[in-house]
Amino acid sequence: EVQLVQSGAEVKKPGESLKISCKGSGYSFTSYWIGWVRQMPGKGLEWMGIIYPGDSDTRYSPSFQGQVTISADKSISTAYLQWSSLKASDTAMYYCVRRGIGRGLDYWGQGTLVTVSS
Amino acid sequence: DIVMTQTPLSSPVTLGQPASISCRSSQSLVHSDGNTYLSWLQQRPGQPPRLLIYKISNRFSGVPDRFSGSGAGTDFTLKISRVEAEDVGVYYCMQATQFLGSYTFGQGTKLEIK
Repeated sequence: EVQLVQSGAEVKKPGESLKISCKGSGYSFTSYWIGWVRQMPGKGLEWMGIIYPGDSDTRYSPSFQGQVTISADKSISTAYLQWSSLKASDTAMYYCVRRGIGRGLDYWGQGTLVTVSS
Repeated sequence: DIVMTQTPLSSPVTLGQPASISCRSSQSLVHSDGNTYLSWLQQRPGQPPRLLIYKISNRFSGVPDRFSGSGAGTDFTLKISRVEAEDVGVYYCMQATQFLGSYTFGQGTKLEIK
């Protein structure tokens, strides 16, 4: 069974750093792109970027380039999303997702809620 | 970036009746490889999104056959033949034709029961 399991909810202060994770299982982790999607409270889905764990090829949405860093450790089948300096506007649910058949986003993590508040 | 525009943004439907959601892209979604990478996702309240349809009309594994997708070029439609209570949620179209960093979603259509 394909699964993406994300790390737990985080509460941080503005200016702090954060790295959240997404562990894949049940498939060849290095053979599928893993993307990250943001959903701000009560809002729609936003594409942040994507990584190919096989060679760490990474692409960012222009809206998120320079704001976050996407990485992966294929030895432990885990992808990451990190911030060096959080802002209140980073408060959102973040989903990791596998790009699968027909470029559909076929398997989703359960989401990691990030709350940034002073 | 390709802009995806969904209509309507809200759709009250009677149980057992059909529902239809439209999605229009600001430019053609036909890729140079001949495929059209338009998909539909469902997000039930409090849940992560779920893939329903990929490449316009292909149902993902486990998706009931009351869901169907159609369209071409820049105009696409998701249809539910007979709405059930479990179909309540927000539906998104998404394009994956553009380069990897620039996938885009529609604004979402909220399906609710009358």
